[in-house]
Amino acid sequence: DTEVTQTPKHLVMGMTNKKSLKCEQHMGHRAMYWYKQKAKKPPELMFVYSYEKLSINESVPSRFSPECPNSSLLNLHLHALQPEDSALYLCASSQDIAPLGRDEQFFGPGTRLTVL
Amino acid sequence: GQNIDQPTEMTATEGAIVQINCTYQTSGFNGLFWYQQHAGEAPTFLSYNVLDGLEEKGRFSSFLSRSKGYSYLLLKELQMKDSASYLCAVRGFGGSGTYKYIFGTGTRLKVLA
Repeated sequence: DTEVTQTPKHLVMGMTNKKSLKCEQHMGHRAMYWYKQKAKKPPELMFVYSYEKLSINESVPSRFSPECPNSSLLNLHLHALQPEDSALYLCASSQDIAPLGRDEQFFGPGTRLTVL
Repeated sequence: GQNIDQPTEMTATEGAIVQINCTYQTSGFNGLFWYQQHAGEAPTFLSYNVLDGLEEKGRFSSFLSRSKGYSYLLLKELQMKDSASYLCAVRGFGGSGTYKYIFGTGTRLKVLA
């Protein structure tokens, strides 16, 4: 199974709502990532988890709160978002964040978020 | 600073060959990746280079020169389904013994009949 799944596929929320994005992989990968991608732009790294611990936070605003409940799951909790946060949110996984070989990232299909 | 540059858009004809260039300046280097991304979909892995030279994989080849901070992706016998964005990504230092993937600006390729 080389699949990363994400739910929901689409999400529309108001600026006062609280919602969560979910990501799951069963490849035994120990590194998991959240990216934000605006239209016609490359993915921008937000967070990296390694062995269920937050390893990298790319100065993301606190209205985005990541959580890694176990080695297969990654959540992104959203609260008080702004319209400019509307984007495709991609989850990815890889074997390790200190790789010895190829160790490419596997991406989920993304959640398309619209903030009204 | 970290910088990865690619041409924004390219157009080519079905059956032709196209070369997409990528130049990079990053903190540390632990491999260069090419991904394909169709509109509205997730990026999918195409190729990996960590040593200088050419890696060939079917219709796709990727080249790396670490001393020049340069890579290219070569697509042969173009098909309509190759119309997509092509992302160059460098795995570089993330601090504290970790690595992170930094993506280039992406190249949107249009294949015309």
